Amino acid sequence: DVKVTQSSRYLVKRTGEKVFLECVQDMDHENMFWYRQDPGLGLRLIYFSYDVKMKEKGDIPEGYSVSREKKERFSLILESASTNQTSMYLCASGQGYYGYTFGSGTRLTVV
Amino acid sequence: TQLLEQSPQFLSIQEGENLTVYCNSSSVFSSLQWYRQEPGEGPVLLVTVVTGGEVKKLKRLTFQFGDARKDSSLHITAAQPGDTGLYLCAGASNTDKLIFGTGTRLQVFP
Repeated sequence: DVKVTQSSRYLVKRTGEKVFLECVQDMDHENMFWYRQDPGLGLRLIYFSYDVKMKEKGDIPEGYSVSREKKERFSLILESASTNQTSMYLCASGQGYYGYTFGSGTRLTVV
Repeated sequence: TQLLEQSPQFLSIQEGENLTVYCNSSSVFSSLQWYRQEPGEGPVLLVTVVTGGEVKKLKRLTFQFGDARKDSSLHITAAQPGDTGLYLCAGASNTDKLIFGTGTRLQVFP
């Protein structure tokens, strides 16, 4: 069964901490994506990567960075976590035409 | 800016009822997908439609892509509590970045 695996389901971090969210896919997809999902705001694209070491900003990249050193792994980094980054974070991989496979999500709370 | 508007935003119905969710845009898409998301989980792809006028059935769910490939509908027959969740449509154009709809939250009561 094809999978996108996010390393943590729930995380609680303190304001100012550096936070790493990890995502691994086993489908050999070139494209990987990071979204955040907030009530009333829908899914918003943070960053995406179309190849190893390649990245492109999405709609809300401020306060985030990403790393893609290997094809199967795409990491989202919160450089200095803030309370307004409390959210559900979703990783996905795939091609737009056929659809994405999403991970189960990481619910991050910044206190 | 491409937008996908879904209606209704919320739907609360009794088990056994039928319902239709709509996904509309002024943009043309090369394909359109429907996802269902349960609380605390990621969205799961239900179907992809690619041809204008195409109709796909998945058990009690019927998906239609508009003739002009700008809109889509999802019809559920005899809804069950297990259908409860957030339904998202998403359109693909000339990039691999999907445009996601605003979502329809469905609650089916026993």
